[in-house]
Amino acid sequence: SQELEQSPQSLIVQEGKNLTINCTSSKTLYGLYWYKQKYGEGLIFLMMLQKGGEEKSHEKITAKLDEKKQQSSLHITASQPSHAGIYLCGAAINNAGNMLTFGGGTRLMVKP
Amino acid sequence: DTGVSQDPRHKITKRGQNVTFRCDPISEHNRLYWYRQTLGQGPEFLTYFQNEAQLEKSRLLSDRFSAERPKGSFSTLEIQRTEQGDSAMYLCASSWTLTRDTQETQYFGPGTRLLVL
Repeated sequence: SQELEQSPQSLIVQEGKNLTINCTSSKTLYGLYWYKQKYGEGLIFLMMLQKGGEEKSHEKITAKLDEKKQQSSLHITASQPSHAGIYLCGAAINNAGNMLTFGGGTRLMVKP
Repeated sequence: DTGVSQDPRHKITKRGQNVTFRCDPISEHNRLYWYRQTLGQGPEFLTYFQNEAQLEKSRLLSDRFSAERPKGSFSTLEIQRTEQGDSAMYLCASSWTLTRDTQETQYFGPGTRLLVL
């Protein structure tokens, strides 16, 4: 079965600092999804990457999928308290895109 | 578009009782998914529907779990004879998928948090 490993598991940064979260897969990724979750709430979709080398940005968040499609990174520039939460990477386990397997999440805290 | 909704948001029950959760997907989404998330972990896939057909079920979905999507719109997830190990957040997601081989974004609801005493 496919496994996703996220690092770091938790992160505390000072407001205004940049940070990177990594997601590594044991198998080739058909699709890689980044979600954000506030404690006790549902998942908010951030970005989806499919092609090797693909990079997408939304506001101050940039996600990349490496050429071999086995690793993705999420980079936040000039972090703000509103960025705090749990970041989850999810991967389609086959090309049908009907089941996602998730990493354990990265808990981000931004200190004002 | 009001997003995916789930009801109830919280449920406390005693061991051995049956519980049922409801999920209303985004209007016109043809796929609906159920996931379970325990504290400190990522969500785990349980099952999914394409319209009213249940196409995949995880090994996590024991015989005590049953899901339906009778008219291809809302879905229910029932857990019979609940156990303390069933305590978790149950998340529903939906997507619009044109063909089998396309990757489409799954949009999640707020979840139902179940506590079994």
